[in-house]
Amino acid sequence: DGGITQSPKYLFRKEGQNVTLSCEQNLNHDAMYWYRQDPGQGLRLIYYSQIVNDFQKGDIAEGYSVSREKKESFPLTVTSAQKNPTAFYLCASSSTRGGLQRTGELFFGEGSRLTVL
Amino acid sequence: AQKVTQVQTEISVVEKEDVTLDCVYETRDTTYYLFWYKQPPSGELVFLIRRNSFDEQNEISGRYSWNFQKSTSSFNFTITASQVVDSAVYFCALNFSGSSNTGKLIFGQGTTLQVKP
Repeated sequence: DGGITQSPKYLFRKEGQNVTLSCEQNLNHDAMYWYRQDPGQGLRLIYYSQIVNDFQKGDIAEGYSVSREKKESFPLTVTSAQKNPTAFYLCASSSTRGGLQRTGELFFGEGSRLTVL
Repeated sequence: AQKVTQVQTEISVVEKEDVTLDCVYETRDTTYYLFWYKQPPSGELVFLIRRNSFDEQNEISGRYSWNFQKSTSSFNFTITASQVVDSAVYFCALNFSGSSNTGKLIFGQGTTLQVKP
């Protein structure tokens, strides 16, 4: 089945450690996104990538890094510089074919919940 | 500045009741897109609808209907004859200014809907 796979589902980290969240998609989508979800705040965009080897910062990129070496993969690293990393992280993808008709139609993974101890 | 506000944080209804989730948005763009997404307990968000700013026609899809009113900057979502399976967090969203062909969205804080049997 086509979809987005995020791993791990739950992750615990000690303060000062970097951690990488995996996101893989087999939908053949060009664009991929990372959103962060906090209680009562909705989702906020961390990074996005519209093509391999290219990515842009979203609203809250500080303390995070990404790479896009393959079309299928868009891993997110939460670095020790992120002041408050405990959150639910959602990866999404979308097709850029079809232009405006596909605007905003995101396919999401089931998320990764990161807790800093 | 762009902003999406979901009026209700939590709503609780009894099965078969109708329920409306209110969404108010702010944008200076003349062309924009509005969305509703559903987040069931499994965590992934599911796309429900997209509406562009030039199309103020109401839309109905089964038990779901949407009322877009540009004059009041609102995009409200009604579930008719609610069912327990409708229990979820619902998000209203707006595309980032200048990103009409991407998945860069500004989300509201979400409305948690609980439908009791």
